[in-house]
Amino acid sequence: KNEVEQSPQNLTAQEGEFITINCSYSVGISALHWLQQHPGGGIVSLFMLSSGKKKHGRLIATINIQEKHSSLHITASHPRDSAVYICAVLFYGGSQGNLIFGKGTKLSVKP
Amino acid sequence: DGGITQSPKYLFRKEGQNVTLSCEQNLNHDAMYWYRQDPGQGLRLIYYSQIVNDFQKGDIAEGYSVSREKKESFPLTVTSAQKNPTAFYLCATRHPYEKLFFGSGTQLSVL
Repeated sequence: KNEVEQSPQNLTAQEGEFITINCSYSVGISALHWLQQHPGGGIVSLFMLSSGKKKHGRLIATINIQEKHSSLHITASHPRDSAVYICAVLFYGGSQGNLIFGKGTKLSVKP
Repeated sequence: DGGITQSPKYLFRKEGQNVTLSCEQNLNHDAMYWYRQDPGQGLRLIYYSQIVNDFQKGDIAEGYSVSREKKESFPLTVTSAQKNPTAFYLCATRHPYEKLFFGSGTQLSVL
């Protein structure tokens, strides 16, 4: 069964802390997405990656294909980073419509 | 501005009633998706379409129907056969092998 597991489920941090959210998956993938969902419900796509590392501002996403694991890092966290972060993967052999989503990590950054 | 418009933001359904959720995009993307989000669960695919006049069932298509008569539009009908329709519904689009773009969502509740 193709599965996506995120950890931790909930995360509380103080402003300025370095944050790491993890995503593990069960079999080979062709792409992995990191998404951000704010309390209003809207979702923003942060990264799509299939190897290596990507950086945008204070956000960094890495993926280790051999270990079937990806991490999302937030440097110098801020209360506006408070959101649910979702990992989604497209498994090898899956159609472009068949992304599998993790349950999300709820991040709360306190001032 | 390019984007995805979902409407309405909130929708109430009476027992036995069909309701239709609207999704319009001006991003010129071929692929469009409908996802359902329940508390504590990952997003699940209802239907997707990769080209006009064609669509595919996702993991939870029972009780739902769609049409794709125009590239810009992908409406979702929640039929009376869907016995547990209360959820947050998200429409998304993408170019192949690129990031997803999401609408702001529709919260559907049962009266």
